[in-house]
Amino acid sequence: GDSVTQMEGPVTLSEEAFLTINCTYTATGYPSLFWYVQYPGEGLQLLLKATKADDKGSNKGFEATYRKETTSFHLEKGSVQVSDSAVYFCALSNYGGSQGNLIFGKGTKLSVKP
Amino acid sequence: DTGVSQNPRHKITKRGQNVTFRCDPISEHNRLYWYRQTLGQGPEFLTYFQNEAQLEKSRLLSDRFSAERPKGSFSTLEIQRTEQGDSAMYLCATRLAETQYFGPGTRLLVL
Repeated sequence: GDSVTQMEGPVTLSEEAFLTINCTYTATGYPSLFWYVQYPGEGLQLLLKATKADDKGSNKGFEATYRKETTSFHLEKGSVQVSDSAVYFCALSNYGGSQGNLIFGKGTKLSVKP
Repeated sequence: DTGVSQNPRHKITKRGQNVTFRCDPISEHNRLYWYRQTLGQGPEFLTYFQNEAQLEKSRLLSDRFSAERPKGSFSTLEIQRTEQGDSAMYLCATRLAETQYFGPGTRLLVL
């Protein structure tokens, strides 16, 4: 079945460091890909998405490119801030199926130190 | 705030008791999902409604679990005869186009 694998954390970075969180997927057809973020004590929020190959999703300085050839959707940010400390989830949805539910990775906890 | 609300936010219960959670979706979203998230894991799909019809149930949804969405509005998730393994965060999400919007979740602790 469809699945998502993302790098395990925790990831600890200093402020202004470069961030990469790796995400690869296995899916039939042409899934849509997402990054969700969960700040401490809050619910899941959509960070960015890409719905077809070579699309780049971006938001708040974060970017991810849908690479069909490598089945990847790595999250990057050029300069992290303390406020980026959160858990990041990579997810896919295969809307070709009837229900279109999201399939999540296990999450990567990011801690950014001043 | 995504506009999806869930109540209660926290629930502590004793093993064997029944619990019910409520989700109030964004009004114009006709697709509603329930997920379960355990510590250190990503959310896992439980069930899906389109309007009032429950169209899909995960194998995770044992017969102790039941969900409803009367009149295609709010939804409830009931767990009967709770077990300690049911302790988790229960998330509701609604969908518009390709994006799902999550509520804050209900954290259940079964003692």
